[in-house]
Amino acid sequence: GENVEQHPSTLSVQEGDSAVIKCTYSDSASNYFPWYKQELGKRPQLIIDIRSNVGEKKDQRIAVTLNKTAKHFSLHITETQPEDSAVYFCAVFGGGFQKLVFGTGTRLLVSP
Amino acid sequence: KAGVTQTPRYLIKTRGQQVTLSCSPISGHRSVSWYQQTPGQGLQFLFEYFSETQRNKGNFPGRFSGRQFSNSRSEMNVSTLELGDSALYLCASSAWTARDSPLHFGNGTRLTVT
Repeated sequence: GENVEQHPSTLSVQEGDSAVIKCTYSDSASNYFPWYKQELGKRPQLIIDIRSNVGEKKDQRIAVTLNKTAKHFSLHITETQPEDSAVYFCAVFGGGFQKLVFGTGTRLLVSP
Repeated sequence: KAGVTQTPRYLIKTRGQQVTLSCSPISGHRSVSWYQQTPGQGLQFLFEYFSETQRNKGNFPGRFSGRQFSNSRSEMNVSTLELGDSALYLCASSAWTARDSPLHFGNGTRLTVT
């Protein structure tokens, strides 16, 4: 089935630093790549997504880049703040399996 | 607009029992997906329903089943509970299929099997 690998599993940064989380996938036919943020005890929430016809998308301090050839996409958070601390999940949709498959998550800790 | 509502929030059951979880999607959303979240396995896809039809199913045993009603509300049933079924069960709705529109998650039902 579709395989999604997410790295790193934990990431600690100082407030104001940048954070980058990377995901790789196996099915070249995949066409939709969302990122979700899950704060402790809360529901996962969509923060940004990208489709396969676009290489980069930005929303304020958050950006996602997609490299279809290498089959990986990354989440970039600039000027991190303590409230960015959460678990971030990448996901991949498409290919032969037609379901949203999630990565294993990255726990981001932003220290003041 | 009200978000995705899942009931109950917490549930404690004994091995061998069965359980039914409920999900009310955002008004107007026609697709409901179910996920199991555990610390070791992350978010695992269970199934997706669209207009009362199961569109896709994950790699879970037949003890896990679901259905969707004409008002798009969905239920998930787990029979013959096992200790390993303890998890947070998340429901997510989307306006159309999960392929075409973003998923919006509920707060989940935390199931503990003893």
